Amino acid sequence: DQQVKQNSPSLSVQEGRISILNCDYTNSMFDYFLWYKKYPAEGPTFLISISSIKDKNEDGRFTVFLNKSAKHLSLHIVPSQPGDSAVYFCAAATVYGGATNKLIFGTGTLLAVQP
Amino acid sequence: NAGVTQTPKFRILKIGQSMTLQCTQDMNHNYMYWYRQDPGMGLKLIYYSVGAGITDKGEVPNGYNVSRSTTEDFPLRLELAAPSQTSVYFCASSSDREAKNIQYFGAGTRLSVL
Repeated sequence: DQQVKQNSPSLSVQEGRISILNCDYTNSMFDYFLWYKKYPAEGPTFLISISSIKDKNEDGRFTVFLNKSAKHLSLHIVPSQPGDSAVYFCAAATVYGGATNKLIFGTGTLLAVQP
Repeated sequence: NAGVTQTPKFRILKIGQSMTLQCTQDMNHNYMYWYRQDPGMGLKLIYYSVGAGITDKGEVPNGYNVSRSTTEDFPLRLELAAPSQTSVYFCASSSDREAKNIQYFGAGTRLSVL
């Protein structure tokens, strides 16, 4: 039972254009969502997060949108750069006791930004 | 600026062998985690720890054991390796003194059980 789903295994975008990575979830109890980026032979690195009480969070070229009614979030990268080519994981968690220890990860989307 | 360090980077085991995957962090984080990532899948939580002496099971704990005797170290033990444990293992850490849920990951240990 996949609680966090990334239905697109891969995405190819031209440099300078917008990349949109999508994530769906089934558990309405999730109250915190994160995006991680992973290069080959490295561990995931945190990119951006959003609380369930918000619908948008922006950090430079990266914006995450949350649609709670649709149980859907998306990551927008504008403009896309070749260095953004990586696997992007969506993750979700519930807050418990002031912390969230159990991240549930999606299967990842491989983004390729073509020069 | 080491962060989370995992050793070894690669290992091949025979069925039934045992090994310990090492993880150490130098950020004084109280929370530590072990994940596994199978091909084409997301990361799944094996075990986690909220502080020295305290551990708890994650989503896929069977076949593994952990201990947390110090803040810095969180080793993962495989007692009887099986082919189903072929995977990439990631250790992570986080702090309740920082923003929630931001976990910092090591570079991973690629394990093959043949």
